[in-house]
Amino acid sequence: GAVVSQHPSRVICKSGTSVKIECRSLDFQATTMFWYRQFPKKSLMLMATSNEGSKATYEQGVEKDKFLINHASLTLSTLTVTSAHPEDSSFYICSGGWGVQNIQYFGAGTRLSVL
Amino acid sequence: SQQGEEDPQALSIQEGENATMNCSYKTSINNLQWYRQNSGRGLVHLILIRSNEREKHSGRLRVTLDTSKKSSSLLITASRAADTASYFCATDPYNTDKLIFGTGTRLQVFP
Repeated sequence: GAVVSQHPSRVICKSGTSVKIECRSLDFQATTMFWYRQFPKKSLMLMATSNEGSKATYEQGVEKDKFLINHASLTLSTLTVTSAHPEDSSFYICSGGWGVQNIQYFGAGTRLSVL
Repeated sequence: SQQGEEDPQALSIQEGENATMNCSYKTSINNLQWYRQNSGRGLVHLILIRSNEREKHSGRLRVTLDTSKKSSSLLITASRAADTASYFCATDPYNTDKLIFGTGTRLQVFP
């Protein structure tokens, strides 16, 4: 299956700092990349959809100035959590979509802890 | 909310037993997919069933789809301890490239 690499897997930071998470599709070109947030024992909450070379489309209630998404190439999308606060602590997962059947291939996730 | 509902929320069984999870959704779809998530990890695609299909098999997995009831089920036969994970259904609605994920079923298989 297609491989998506997400880095870092875990980050601990101080309140007020910014954190960048990278998501790379390694063996395919993802037409679309997705960023999700997941709370403990809960389902995935879609934050935004990004396409290469265009602005990300954010879901309702997600602050675009808080969660900056850059999709510079067909294989790389980044999520920057700006001025992180403890309430931003969560598990963030990216995925790459491929093919007409819209199967998504997921990264391993990033656990963000803001102190 | 568009999110699908899954039941049960949690399921505990012994190795060798079958596990059945159900998913209900709200919109018209192109297909429905099932994903698995091990604790603290990303999701892995398991199986996809198209809207014009009623049943599909893959190894020990059996998926059914009833579009008139907007529901699907995932059956795992002869479960193993390694099947312990959370399972999510995801629908691919018309006219969007997003997937709508269900609330998930946490499956625990005891050796």
